[in-house]
Amino acid sequence: GQQVMQIPQYQHVQEGEDFTTYCNSSTTLSNIQWYKQRPGGHPVFLIQLVKSGEVKKQKRLTFQFGEAKKNSSLHITATQTTDVGTYFCAGPQGGSEKLVFGKGTKLTVNP
Amino acid sequence: NAGVTQTPKFQVLKTGQSMTLQCAQDMNHEYMSWYRQDPGMGLRLIHYSVGAGITDQGEVPNGYNVSRSTTEDFPLRLLSAAPSQTSVYFCASSPTSRATRDEQFFGPGTRLTVL
Repeated sequence: GQQVMQIPQYQHVQEGEDFTTYCNSSTTLSNIQWYKQRPGGHPVFLIQLVKSGEVKKQKRLTFQFGEAKKNSSLHITATQTTDVGTYFCAGPQGGSEKLVFGKGTKLTVNP
Repeated sequence: NAGVTQTPKFQVLKTGQSMTLQCAQDMNHEYMSWYRQDPGMGLRLIHYSVGAGITDQGEVPNGYNVSRSTTEDFPLRLLSAAPSQTSVYFCASSPTSRATRDEQFFGPGTRLTVL
């Protein structure tokens, strides 16, 4: 079945440094979603990308969807301690209503 | 609105015991699903439902049963608990049956330990 691969698995940065996580699919995706899970919490929806080459920004967060719609990235500029958590991408599996999640990137920020 | 609620928050079972994890939502969402989260494995879909009376299997359905008799409730049953089912379980819902296009709303989770 379709897999969504996410790298890196872990990332440790100093506060103020930038951070990027990448998501790659073995098949073309109709759309991709991103979620954030704070330590001890539950996943919370951040954004959805639908169009080829789409770029969306939320303050210091920039989300991109690849031209071939098989990869996506999340970039955080000038990380803050509030950015700590695990970031997941998720995409639909084939023609079903199954949402498949990547394994996530765990971000820690050293103040 | 309470959103998505899950009970219990914590549970310890012995191998072979059965139990039901409860999930309810008060947003009149059509789609509901169950995920399990294990360290380094991300979120894996167990079962999902696109509406009352309709359920289907996800990536890891073995050892779990579900039913959806009402729009609001989507319980997850462990028939005979095994240590491999030790995990954090999340219930999620989304407004329409086109779940892969909707924002997923997650519950707070149930941390299950099977001894």
